[in-house]
Amino acid sequence: DTGVSQDPRHKITKRGQNVTFRCDPISEHNRLYWYRQTLGQGPEFLTYFQNEAQLEKSRLLSDRFSAERPKGSFSTLEIQRTEQGDSAMYLCASSPDSSTPGVLTFGAGSRLTVL
Amino acid sequence: AQSVTQPDIHITVSEGASLELRCNYSYGATPYLFWYVQSPGQGLQLLLKYFSGDTLVQGIKGFEAEFKRSQSSFNLRKPSVHWSDAAEYFCAVGEGAGNNRKLIWGLGTSLAVNP
Repeated sequence: DTGVSQDPRHKITKRGQNVTFRCDPISEHNRLYWYRQTLGQGPEFLTYFQNEAQLEKSRLLSDRFSAERPKGSFSTLEIQRTEQGDSAMYLCASSPDSSTPGVLTFGAGSRLTVL
Repeated sequence: AQSVTQPDIHITVSEGASLELRCNYSYGATPYLFWYVQSPGQGLQLLLKYFSGDTLVQGIKGFEAEFKRSQSSFNLRKPSVHWSDAAEYFCAVGEGAGNNRKLIWGLGTSLAVNP
């Protein structure tokens, strides 16, 4: 068990470009979450998967954001036409069905800088 | 709307001193409450949780927290701080029902430890 892996750890892009982040959860975890964290703030919920089904999506997630978990294992978060306001740390977390809701294992995050 | 308030943005303590980090929440039902710690370059790690039962909960690394419904508080304590405890501490409440609970986070408290 190598924990939750996120790739890339850092991404610098120019405004208007598309970026994609990948999250590999712990293998037996069927719940997967994406959060966003900006400097000086706590994480904000973005979206949640139960296996391959995206069950909830935050109002914070504009149409430029899309997340997938096609086979119920790894997940991708894509941001299209990036804006400077998208600069943040994108956090992925996972948990098994059997755990207490809210008990999450987080990855180290993917930091996005939009120039 | 559910919310979490951490009144102290930054706290400095001396190594060996006691620590209390404050957390107040706003939630209509019985809350699921959590403390997570975030060290530089590492993912958020769960310190402890409360969802029912004994209002004094023990966590990892010698931390404990007490749920006080009358004060809507869930303060984190440690009797003797170690230099390695320097990190960002986040209080969170689980919003929703059943197994699908997303976390609502406070802004965090940054802890510095003087030698």
